[in-house]
Amino acid sequence: EPEVTQTPSHQVTQMGQEVILRCVPISNHLYFYWYRQILGQKVEFLVSFYNNEISEKSEIFDDQFSVERPDGSNFTLKIRSTKLEDSAMYFCASSEGLAGSYEQYFGPGTRLTVT
Amino acid sequence: SQQGEEDPQALSIQEGENATMNCSYKTSINNLQWYRQNSGRGLVHLILIRSNEREKHSGRLRVTLDTSKKSSSLLITASRAADTASYFCAMVFSNDYKLSFGAGTTVTVRA
Repeated sequence: EPEVTQTPSHQVTQMGQEVILRCVPISNHLYFYWYRQILGQKVEFLVSFYNNEISEKSEIFDDQFSVERPDGSNFTLKIRSTKLEDSAMYFCASSEGLAGSYEQYFGPGTRLTVT
Repeated sequence: SQQGEEDPQALSIQEGENATMNCSYKTSINNLQWYRQNSGRGLVHLILIRSNEREKHSGRLRVTLDTSKKSSSLLITASRAADTASYFCAMVFSNDYKLSFGAGTTVTVRA
């Protein structure tokens, strides 16, 4: 069964450093998402991406964040200058169609630890 | 906030018993999805129920949706130790295209 994959599974970085989190969505899916879950808190939406552009972003997704689909398979989340409060589990998700009608399938997550 | 609320926050049951958890929300939805998360792991999609549906089944899982009460429930029948996990409801609100998650219910199934 097709799966969303994410790398790395765990990333440790120092405050102020740039990180890139990578995702390979399910191959026939058209909509891509990033969510995050701070330890012990709710899963929060960050951004959605369709047709090579951001379709929606949350207040969390400020200028320090960017997303890219550099080729036909990868979908990346970049944090330019990490802060302690960026420590969280980051989940990539994809769906075949608009979220109003289709399931979103999640990857296993990347645990980001900012020290 | 539009986000869902789940109850109970935690549930402990004996293997073989049923587990029921509830999710409530405040504004109209396109669909509601249930996910399972094992400790520190990814989110596994369980069931999607659309706003015009009232009940769906998948194996030992049964999901109901009452749009008049703005609530949904997830029933796990004949629970197993492997069902120990956190369960989240996530809604796609009308005119929206993202998932809004509840806080989750932590289910512990005792052998």
